[in-house]
Amino acid sequence: ELKVEQNPLFLSMQEGKNYTIYCNYSTTSDRLYWYRQDPGKSLESLFVLLSNGAVKQEGRLMASLDTKARLSTLHITAAVHDLSATYFCAVLIRGAGNMLTFGGGTRLMVKP
Amino acid sequence: DTAVSQTPKYLVTQMGNDKSIKCEQNLGHDTMYWYKQDSKKFLKIMFSYNNKELIINETVPNRFSPKSPDKAHLNLHINSLELGDSAVYFCASSLWGLAGGTQYFGPGTRLLVL
Repeated sequence: ELKVEQNPLFLSMQEGKNYTIYCNYSTTSDRLYWYRQDPGKSLESLFVLLSNGAVKQEGRLMASLDTKARLSTLHITAAVHDLSATYFCAVLIRGAGNMLTFGGGTRLMVKP
Repeated sequence: DTAVSQTPKYLVTQMGNDKSIKCEQNLGHDTMYWYKQDSKKFLKIMFSYNNKELIINETVPNRFSPKSPDKAHLNLHINSLELGDSAVYFCASSLWGLAGGTQYFGPGTRLLVL
């Protein structure tokens, strides 16, 4: 059974600081996704990572994938309050209905 | 607007009742999904539906049944609702064969069983 673990589960940080969220998964995967969820809202796609060494950046967020280590990271640079949300990584294994297995989520609070 | 939509947004009902949640996507996708998010925000896949092929997460009770009248719609019917069914249910859609294959999520249906 595929397991996806994120850490930390909760992160409180000051504006302007940098931090990294980690996502480990237990079996070989075809794709890894990062989503953002604001309180009471739906999930918004941030990144999809397809291959080993893939790196994608959007604004203050940068995601990377190491398939050999089965590890993805979401790095936050110079955090701002607007980044406060819950971030999920999700792993897809094709041939299993394309169903995503989600990590437990990291709730990020950026304090002004 | 192109999107994944769900109705109703909120659903409050009594234990033992039967209820349905509707989902529609106008993104031209061929695969649709149902996810459950519990009170601890943990998200779990329930179903995947592609070209009339239903793939069920084996942990889902058979009180839950998806119904797809066409590629753009995937409804979720729940029989004999239980307290533990209270959660937020998200519908999502994607293109099966597309590299990347990002799943786009609906706004969610907040179900409360009393």
